[in-house]
Amino acid sequence: SQKIEQNSEALNIQEGKTATLTCNYTNYSPAYLQWYRQDPGRGPVFLLLIRENEKEKRKERLKVTFDTTLKQSLFHITASQPADSATYLCALVPFSGGYNKLIFGAGTRLAVHP
Amino acid sequence: NAGVTQTPKFQVLKTGQSMTLQCAQDMNHNSMYWYRQDPGMGLRLIYYSASEGTTDKGEVPNGYNVSRLNKREFSLRLESAAPSQTSVYFCASSEFTREGQPQHFGDGTRLSIL
Repeated sequence: SQKIEQNSEALNIQEGKTATLTCNYTNYSPAYLQWYRQDPGRGPVFLLLIRENEKEKRKERLKVTFDTTLKQSLFHITASQPADSATYLCALVPFSGGYNKLIFGAGTRLAVHP
Repeated sequence: NAGVTQTPKFQVLKTGQSMTLQCAQDMNHNSMYWYRQDPGMGLRLIYYSASEGTTDKGEVPNGYNVSRLNKREFSLRLESAAPSQTSVYFCASSEFTREGQPQHFGDGTRLSIL
């Protein structure tokens, strides 16, 4: 069966450390993988997109890697801050030849402690 | 710049009642989407509209209908609400429907059906 999995347990880290979140998938061939941030009571906000032929993408303190052999994407936040505390969702875009279909993971909650 | 606006923010219905959730975007996007988000699960696509005048089913369309009223507005209707439809509903939009486009989300409608 097709699955996209994120760690359901919250990740607790100390301010200033690097947070690493994992997204694993099975039985998909993603064309793209996207990461979103979701704050309580709010909708997801787009952060980064990485294509299947890209290994790594960076934006300020954020870095995403994409390993199609391991079927895994890692999302890193360096020099983390309490303001980074939120739930982070990964979403893959399968090769569909059609509409912009997003398959979402359930998300991992990140808590950055001062 | 409001982005994607959803109304209402909260609603309680009784089983069997009908309701329309409203969504409007001011980004001149062509494609719009309706998702539901349940605890422990990823966002699931209910319906989408690739462009004005078209609508298509997503992953979980049963019990719902949609209308793309114009380029800005995309509504979701529950004809006969059931407790299984208790969820948080998100509307999203993207510039185009082609693969990989980031989606912009509203802040959701929290719907409880008793």
